[in-house]
Amino acid sequence: DTGVSQDPRHKITKRGQNVTFRCDPISEHNRLYWYRQTLGQGPEFLTYFQNEAQLEKSRLLSDRFSAERPKGSFSTLEIQRTEQGDSAMYLCASSLPAGSEQYFGPGTRLTVT
Amino acid sequence: GESVGLHLPTLSVQEGDNSIINCAYSNSASDYFIWYKQESGKGPQFIIDIRSNMDKRQGQRVTVLLNKTVKHLSLQIAATQPGDSAVYFCAENGGAAGNKLTFGGGTRVLVKP
Repeated sequence: DTGVSQDPRHKITKRGQNVTFRCDPISEHNRLYWYRQTLGQGPEFLTYFQNEAQLEKSRLLSDRFSAERPKGSFSTLEIQRTEQGDSAMYLCASSLPAGSEQYFGPGTRLTVT
Repeated sequence: GESVGLHLPTLSVQEGDNSIINCAYSNSASDYFIWYKQESGKGPQFIIDIRSNMDKRQGQRVTVLLNKTVKHLSLQIAATQPGDSAVYFCAENGGAAGNKLTFGGGTRVLVKP
């Protein structure tokens, strides 16, 4: 158990609906990362926060995606107007400052029908 | 673009034998590398990391070797056990301040009893 938790673990939604995922990092970790993983591939970076500041966003993060970390603790990832191509595992990781290992949560598996 | 890749998609090994998983990276700016293990339905689990100022690092039953000259990374697992069956990913940070990780495509390790 890495200590990073994610909720929900599974989400099935219809195309066009909005979904929101939550990540609770390890308590003393000030960095929080979101990745997306499709079947048979390695995780792909989406965005990361240092405390409450969102410092970088990938080109993969279209304008339908938004992430927040309002108090520098938990984070949410929202996808608006979901598309079938959004079906994937969404992974959250946390770490101490740069150069430290990232610990991953169990992921949220999203299926868009 | 820069990428991290693996030579062998599937590795079948006899229980008790040693396993070697290889990874090639192309971003010469990377200064931090990590190996993760991922079991079905779970998030990646940190195994071991290494910084670019080292060429070898040992953990419990695992050793990571880094050859910066040929941009090659390997993970050695001693006395492979059934519980080692999983997909293994190498990842590199691209030398970026944010430490976002770029993952390879993964190698599946199957341990035969």
